[in-house]
Amino acid sequence: GAGVSQTPSNKVTEKGKYVELRCDPISGHTALYWYRQSLGQGPEFLIYFQGTGAADDSGLPNDRFFAVRPEGSVSTLKIQRTERGDSAVYLCASSSYRGYEQYFGPGTRLTVT
Amino acid sequence: AQRVTQPEKLLSVFKGAPVELKCNYSYSGSPELFWYVQYSRQRLQLLLRHISRESIKGFTADLNKGETSFHLKKPFAQEEDSAMYYCALSDSTGNQFYFGTGTSLTVIP
Repeated sequence: GAGVSQTPSNKVTEKGKYVELRCDPISGHTALYWYRQSLGQGPEFLIYFQGTGAADDSGLPNDRFFAVRPEGSVSTLKIQRTERGDSAVYLCASSSYRGYEQYFGPGTRLTVT
Repeated sequence: AQRVTQPEKLLSVFKGAPVELKCNYSYSGSPELFWYVQYSRQRLQLLLRHISRESIKGFTADLNKGETSFHLKKPFAQEEDSAMYYCALSDSTGNQFYFGTGTSLTVIP
């Protein structure tokens, strides 16, 4: 079947705007993770969903960042009042259960001008 | 706190030579360690995890709790091994994952 998909692949926005990034996990995967990867760095954990609930959101940098997964499948990462420092590649990964092998999406490259 | 350290950003070896990518970690408790790989223009994918004790594509990694290391090794490097390699650690709950900064491996023909 299809792997993890993320849309859009690229997003350019102006400072102060609101953006939504979407992740479609592998069907049946209950665990979903969001990461942020800045240039020259490894993926940085943001939030983990088990089913519909955010089981761990300790990686979200501040209250401008929020994520939802209302039906336990598709997830949306929302960033309010974007700042230039938010520019990065946002990765989504899913797995059949927490701690198991994660399958990554291609990422969304966010550029805040 | 830095939980996963990969001291080498770049590593070049000749084809057929042994290769070792270093990874050290800092975590109290019982972490689970992974190596992920990203080939050119491909997605990040799991290479191996310490709990499964598998050898994937000729790579092995041994968890050394005394030295808090999880180095990735292969006795004979191949050109197709050229990629970005990330060491990662999961906390005991499996809720959080911490990645190192990555090592870019180039295998010279």
